[in-house]
Amino acid sequence: DTAVSQTPKYLVTQMGNDKSIKCEQNLGHDTMYWYKQDSKKFLKIMFSYNNKELIINETVPNRFSPKSPDKAHLNLHINSLELGDSAVYFCASSQRTGGGGIQYFGAGTRLSVL
Amino acid sequence: DQQVKQNSPSLSVQEGRISILNCDYTNSMFDYFLWYKKYPAEGPTFLISISSIKDKNEDGRFTVFLNKSAKHLSLHIVPSQPGDSAVYFCAASYTGTASKLTFGTGTRLQVTL
Repeated sequence: DTAVSQTPKYLVTQMGNDKSIKCEQNLGHDTMYWYKQDSKKFLKIMFSYNNKELIINETVPNRFSPKSPDKAHLNLHINSLELGDSAVYFCASSQRTGGGGIQYFGAGTRLSVL
Repeated sequence: DQQVKQNSPSLSVQEGRISILNCDYTNSMFDYFLWYKKYPAEGPTFLISISSIKDKNEDGRFTVFLNKSAKHLSLHIVPSQPGDSAVYFCAASYTGTASKLTFGTGTRLQVTL
């Protein structure tokens, strides 16, 4: 039973399209995150939500909009996709915010923009 | 500005020997450090962590050492096994109103027979 699940695993799309990635966690955690791993394999935080409230927004373009319908879900919508958006996107969750918490990751969504 | 650095992109170790993976950080506010292991096409998996109030934490074959004055931590794997072959990421966070993990760029460990 997967703790943090992301769909889809692979996403291939054309420039200019709008796409969404879904994330769900069944760990009962309060905090969820989106990370981006770029071509240099560098994992970097994008957003964090705690109980449906945005708490971290790391200067990500406005084309990226996270949405948290409830604390078990954090979806990522991307508008007007660009070539540079090609990356692997990871969702994660932790029991609490404020540091010192272990984050559990999903398997990732590999986005390829053509 | 990369606040967490793993200067060795790869490491090859013989089965049964010790693997030592290193990590340096620059932000003195970091007070919690984690190591994650990642296999291809999977997400990072938590391995072991250490709080800044400690200098060592051990879990089976894995031990993490923290040297705060040097802003350096290391992960020791003894004995190394072929299944340990993966990319290892060092990550750091600090206590505050919001938390995020700042990752290093990873070290690819290859354990050979």
